[in-house]
Amino acid sequence: AQSVTQLGSHVSVSEGALVLLRCNYSSSVPPYLFWYVQYPNQGLQLLLKYTTGATLVKGINGFEAEFKKSETSFHLTKPSAHMSDAAEYFCAVSDLGYSTLTFGKGTMLLVSP
Amino acid sequence: KAGVTQTPRYLIKTRGQQVTLSCSPISGHRSVSWYQQTPGQGLQFLFEYFSETQRNKGNFPGRFSGRQFSNSRSEMNVSTLELGDSALYLCASSRGGEKYNEQFFGPGTRLTVL
Repeated sequence: AQSVTQLGSHVSVSEGALVLLRCNYSSSVPPYLFWYVQYPNQGLQLLLKYTTGATLVKGINGFEAEFKKSETSFHLTKPSAHMSDAAEYFCAVSDLGYSTLTFGKGTMLLVSP
Repeated sequence: KAGVTQTPRYLIKTRGQQVTLSCSPISGHRSVSWYQQTPGQGLQFLFEYFSETQRNKGNFPGRFSGRQFSNSRSEMNVSTLELGDSALYLCASSRGGEKYNEQFFGPGTRLTVL
């Protein structure tokens, strides 16, 4: 069975600082990996995805993530936080890319001026 | 292109009642998935429909059911509501098929059970 662990339910950074949100997964087959963002009272928006190919994936709003098979990790980073990045972030995994997503518990990103 | 729409956006029910939530996928999308989001359990997969057939099901009791119509619109029904059913219910649509298809999420229906 697949599972996703996100370290830290809350992460606080200052505006302009590096953002690092951690995600580790377990999967019996090569996974497809995703990061989603959720703003208050909204649905989920896809930030980026890893399916095959290059392990460093770039997404929207300056975010990127690196798939590290040996560490079973898919951490999300952004060099410089912006106030508008404050939201909840979810890492998700899907076996072979099928529609069923298994999500982590989420990490709330707080950005202070 | 219109996104995924869900109706209603907010709903208040009492224990023991039943409720029906609706999801209209993006035009051309044949797969609709439903997820339940709660503070305690996070995001959990309910079921997926593709071309009017349930293709996958999560670990929820039989009180939770769904269906998909020929135009790909989907409904989910929860019978005999319990307080623990209070949640944000998210619908996601994708083109479907055997390979990866990006899922697009709707804004959700927030259900409160009193």
